[in-house]
Amino acid sequence: AQSVSQHNHHVILSEAASLELGCNYSYGGTVNLFWYVQYPGQHLQLLLKYFSGDPLVKGIKGFEAEFIKSKFSFNLRKPSVQWSDTAEYFCAGAGGGGNKLTFGTGTQLKVEL
Amino acid sequence: DSGVTQTPKHLITATGQRVTLRCSPRSGDLSVYWYQQSLDQGLQFLIQYYNGEERAKGNILERFSAQQFPDLHSELNLSSLELGDSALYFCASSVGPTGAYEQYFGPGTRLTVT
Repeated sequence: AQSVSQHNHHVILSEAASLELGCNYSYGGTVNLFWYVQYPGQHLQLLLKYFSGDPLVKGIKGFEAEFIKSKFSFNLRKPSVQWSDTAEYFCAGAGGGGNKLTFGTGTQLKVEL
Repeated sequence: DSGVTQTPKHLITATGQRVTLRCSPRSGDLSVYWYQQSLDQGLQFLIQYYNGEERAKGNILERFSAQQFPDLHSELNLSSLELGDSALYFCASSVGPTGAYEQYFGPGTRLTVT
């Protein structure tokens, strides 16, 4: 079955710390992977996506993610977080040609001043 | 602003009632997806329509139904409401029919069943 898992449910960091949020997927065949962010009280916004090609993808707001096929991972990274990055982060996947997005359980990130 | 609009923003209703949630996709998008977000279930895909036709079904209860109209807006109908249906309901749209196309999410409708 297609699934996406996020292992870190709550992460607390100080400003300027580096961030890495884990995401693993389980899909047969090709897969499209996404990271979405949900700021408090707001809707989901797309941070970045991977469809094919360069496994290191850069998104908005200084975020990047690396697709590692051998590890079935698509971890999100940011070298230096800001207080405004406090939000919930969702990894999601869709099988190539499939329709629905399967979301991970989300990671609540709190950045302290 | 993603370009996807949802109405109403908030809805409070009683158990056993029926409500309709509305979604207008981004201009040019043919696919509409419905998701339910709750504390215990997380973000769950409910159903997808593409150009007026049902395209994919997820964890949608039989008490729930949806449709997409010729002008591409979509409605999600929830009936015989239960307390456990209280959740945030998101609509998303994309230009194409599959998961290969990125989805843009609306602001959501917060449903409270009392």
